[in-house]
Amino acid sequence: EVQLVQSGAEVKKPGESLTISCKASGYRFNTQWVAWVRQKPGKGLEWMGIIYPGDSDTRYSPSFQGRVNMSVDKSISTVYLQWSSLRPSDTAMYYCARHYGSGSSKFDPWGQGTLVTVSS
Amino acid sequence: QSVLTQPPSVSGTPGERVTISCAGGSSNIGQNTASWFQQVPGSAPKLLIYSNSQRPSGVPDRFSGSKSGTSASLAISGLQAEDEAHYYCAVWDNSLNGHVVFGGGTKLTVL
Repeated sequence: EVQLVQSGAEVKKPGESLTISCKASGYRFNTQWVAWVRQKPGKGLEWMGIIYPGDSDTRYSPSFQGRVNMSVDKSISTVYLQWSSLRPSDTAMYYCARHYGSGSSKFDPWGQGTLVTVSS
Repeated sequence: QSVLTQPPSVSGTPGERVTISCAGGSSNIGQNTASWFQQVPGSAPKLLIYSNSQRPSGVPDRFSGSKSGTSASLAISGLQAEDEAHYYCAVWDNSLNGHVVFGGGTKLTVL
């Protein structure tokens, strides 16, 4: 079974750093892109970017370039989303999903989501 | 303001057929294929349709998708109470070095 399992909910203060994870299983991890998608409370979906585990190639949405960093550890089939300095506006649910590459809008499956709360 | 425009809400009664539209432009739907996702409150989104009209295994054939020009549509026939959810369209946009855009989402209410 193809599955993406994300790390648990986080509560952080503004200015703190954070890394959340997404562990893949059931498919050839190195050969398929993984995307990150943000959903603010009560709002819609926003594409943040994608990473290709095989060579760590990344593509960021213009809206998130410079604000987050995507990385991968191929040895444990895990991708990461990192912030160096969180803001209250980063409060959201974050999803990872297998993505079918440049030109595609197919995301399947999705992780269960990681809720990030940033508050002083 | 989303690049893809969806109606905020639609409604229907059990058994009815409803459609949800997704209006885009020449750099996205006009050149690439659309996908649709269903999100039940409290759950992650689920892929319903990809490549404009293809259904993943396990998705009932009550769900169908189509594309014409710079617009895509999702149709749900034989509406069921369990279909009440938010629905999102998505497409790759070729502008700005390429990126995915989502519609703002449509809340389907089954009356």
